Amino acid sequence: KQEVTQIPAALSVPEGENLVLNCSFTDSAIYNLQWFRQDPGKGLTSLLLIQSSQREQTSGRLNASLDKSSGRSTLYIAASQPGDSATYLCAVNTGGFKTIFGAGTRLFVKA
Amino acid sequence: EAGVAQSPRYKIIEKRQSVAFWCNPISGHATLYWYQQILGQGPKLLIQFQNNGVVDDSQLPKDRFSAERLKGVDSTLKIQPAKLEDSAVYLCASSFNLIGTGESTGELFFGEGSRLTVL
Repeated sequence: KQEVTQIPAALSVPEGENLVLNCSFTDSAIYNLQWFRQDPGKGLTSLLLIQSSQREQTSGRLNASLDKSSGRSTLYIAASQPGDSATYLCAVNTGGFKTIFGAGTRLFVKA
Repeated sequence: EAGVAQSPRYKIIEKRQSVAFWCNPISGHATLYWYQQILGQGPKLLIQFQNNGVVDDSQLPKDRFSAERLKGVDSTLKIQPAKLEDSAVYLCASSFNLIGTGESTGELFFGEGSRLTVL
């Protein structure tokens, strides 16, 4: 059974700092992995989608990597800003197109 | 392109009452999902439709929850009777299907969610 874990559960950093959010999964047989952002009281906004054949994806200040063999993905945020404050969720799409979510990392960027 | 639409955004009901949530997916997206997100947790899949057929409803509490997608477009999720533990955000998502296989790409697009409070 696929399990997805995100560490840390919460993170507070000063503005301008580069940071890494971690996502680990127990079964390496995945179809893709998607990173989302969720603002309080809002739905999920897709940030990056990495297919199982890819190693990384980049969008602006965000870079997501995928290492299936070790069951890990990281989301790198460069030069963090207060507007980046939100909960970041990773979601692993397994065989049968079932998507399993982690519990998320709550990020707070201090001005 | 319009996103996934959900209504209502907020609903407060007493326990044992009923409630219904509506979702209209992105145009052309054949696969539709309903997720339940309890505060502090990641979303949990309740039911997945492909067109108007159910693909996975293994985690749907069928004694009180029901969902339908009669014409393969919009969908309704109903809870009757509601319990205190049903307080959560109900998220609808959709994804498009691969030409040829017809399978979902697995890339999810979410609506704003419907927040339910059961008193």
